[in-house]
Amino acid sequence: GAVVSQHPSRVICKSGTSVKIECRSLDFQATTMFWYRQFPKQSLMLMATSNEGSKATYEQGVEKDKFLINHASLTLSTLTVTSAHPEDSSFYICSAEDGTTNEKLFFGSGTQLSVL
Amino acid sequence: GEDVEQSLFLSVREGDSSVINCTYTDSSSTYLYWYKQEPGAGLQLLTYIFSNMDMKQDQRLTVLLNKKDKHLSLRIADTQTGDSAIYFCAERAAGNKLTFGGGTRVLVKP
Repeated sequence: GAVVSQHPSRVICKSGTSVKIECRSLDFQATTMFWYRQFPKQSLMLMATSNEGSKATYEQGVEKDKFLINHASLTLSTLTVTSAHPEDSSFYICSAEDGTTNEKLFFGSGTQLSVL
Repeated sequence: GEDVEQSLFLSVREGDSSVINCTYTDSSSTYLYWYKQEPGAGLQLLTYIFSNMDMKQDQRLTVLLNKKDKHLSLRIADTQTGDSAIYFCAERAAGNKLTFGGGTRVLVKP
């Protein structure tokens, strides 16, 4: 199946720093990518929808200035957690929609962010 | 709004069949998905079904969809220890967004 690569898989940072997470579709073009957040033993909560070449659409309650999303190409979307605080610690997962089939949504392996 | 619910936990013996159930509320769902998540990992797409179908089989996996009752199930035949994981159902509706259930933790006992 299609592969979505997410990097880094784990990051530990100091409070106040910014962290960038990359999401790449390796063998297909993804016009749309999604960013999710998952707390321990909980389900995935959609944070934002990222469309190539346009501004991301954020879900209610998600701070767009806090979580910057850039979808500069058909294979890459980035999520930057700005001025991270301990409450931002979470598991972040991206997914990408295969534009040719429009049916399947593939997920990256996730990024565990720990803010000290 | 959309709401997807699953039971929290399922315990099954190796070799038996597992059935994971899911209910959803959005009647405009286009596709329904089943994903598997192992500890510390992302989500692996297992299978999916279009909303105008009532059954889909893929090797050991059988998906049943009752659109009238908005009920989805995943049956895993001959469950193996490697099937132990959390299973999420998700519905895809307007805007192509996925709404996930809370996940069902499946424990396979030898």
